[in-house]
Amino acid sequence: QIQMMESGGGVVQPGKSLTISCVVSGFRFSDSDMDWVRQAPGKGLEWITIISYDGGKKDYSDSVKGRFTVSRDNSKKTLYLQMNSLRPEDTAVYFCVKEGFDTWGGKYFDHWGHGTLVTVSA
Amino acid sequence: QSALTQPASVSGSPGQSLTVSCTGTSFTYNHVSWYQQHPGQVPQLLLYSVTHRPPGVSSRFSGSKSVNTAFLTISELQPEDEADYFCSSYSSTGGPSWLFGGGTKVTV
Repeated sequence: QIQMMESGGGVVQPGKSLTISCVVSGFRFSDSDMDWVRQAPGKGLEWITIISYDGGKKDYSDSVKGRFTVSRDNSKKTLYLQMNSLRPEDTAVYFCVKEGFDTWGGKYFDHWGHGTLVTVSA
Repeated sequence: QSALTQPASVSGSPGQSLTVSCTGTSFTYNHVSWYQQHPGQVPQLLLYSVTHRPPGVSSRFSGSKSVNTAFLTISELQPEDEADYFCSSYSSTGGPSWLFGGGTKVTV
């Protein structure tokens, strides 16, 4: 079955950097667009970045653009999120999410990792 | 920047039906999906492409869409339906690729 395991979260000081990763199994990672979605404590879901199946296309939310970089290594079935210049408002659980699509091209998030908590605090 | 707007909370009694709305200006084709999240758990895909249910999702959950509003209807409410529900939409026409609604707390 599909498994997605994030790691690398922790406590980091404001202004510092952190890289989190997500190792997957159970599906063709190299065929799948992937995203990172975060959820601040007690808050809703916030999409932050997408990377196409081959890494050729990326997009970011305005809240992280210029600070965060998404990448992937298809040979290792691993998704990465490098986070620079971290702010207290970046404190959240970060979910690695697989995109699915239906016959008519409809897109959706069909599998979610369990998330890794990033806390930005002095 | 466009956004998806959901009511903060909706409540109903066991056996009743309720509807959660999701209003936006950037719905692209049928890229509307809904997610259920119980406290402390991971979001789960509930509906995709407006009306489609993934395997294993109860037929009590259904979806529809008008021009700028998507709807999630839960029929025959059960205690285990108490959760947060989020709508989402993909956009390929500029702006952020994905949007989420703020979430609706459903209380049974």
